[in-house]
Amino acid sequence: DTAVSQTPKYLVTQMGNDKSIKCEQNLGHDTMYWYKQDSKKFLKIMFSYNNKELIINETVPNRFSPKSPDKAHLNLHINSLELGDSAVYFCASSQDAGEGSGELFFGEGSRLTVL
Amino acid sequence: QKEVEQDPGPLSVPEGAIVSLNCTYSNSAFQYFMWYRQYSRKGPELLMYTYSSGNKEDGRFTAQVDKSSKYISLFIRDSQPSDSATYLCAMSANKFYFGSGTKLNVKP
Repeated sequence: DTAVSQTPKYLVTQMGNDKSIKCEQNLGHDTMYWYKQDSKKFLKIMFSYNNKELIINETVPNRFSPKSPDKAHLNLHINSLELGDSAVYFCASSQDAGEGSGELFFGEGSRLTVL
Repeated sequence: QKEVEQDPGPLSVPEGAIVSLNCTYSNSAFQYFMWYRQYSRKGPELLMYTYSSGNKEDGRFTAQVDKSSKYISLFIRDSQPSDSATYLCAMSANKFYFGSGTKLNVKP
């Protein structure tokens, strides 16, 4: 059973479109995250949620909107896609309350290409 | 200055070599230190997790943390071609910070 699963794995879309990525974790963790990894492999946190509450919201354009319907799910919706949004988006989860003391487990990533 | 600095490599070694991967950091509040391995087109996979200074060993992998020098290392003994991947260091205080990764290639 996959611990952190995200769909879709690949997304190719046109500039200006809206897209969503879904994430689910079956580890029973309290905190979930979205990270963006650029072409140089740098992982940058975007958002984190603890028990459905937003706890980290980095400087991310408001075209990006996370939603956590319950503590096992964290989705990411992106409006008006731009070329610079092309990246791999990783969902992750940890047992801690978002203060960084727990081990972080990642999904396989969703590769977004904006044309 | 970035919070975490890591040499991007690539680092190429022959099979069986000892590999040393390193990161430096600037924030003395970091308490938890991690190493992740990321294969191409896969998610990062946690290899080692340590709290505070000292050494931790797990099979062929040893993680070392020197808080006084703000320096962490990952040693891989008897490296194998299957170790070829990008290795990311990470550390946390109130949130996680990642290095940019070192690409390692172990040649058979």
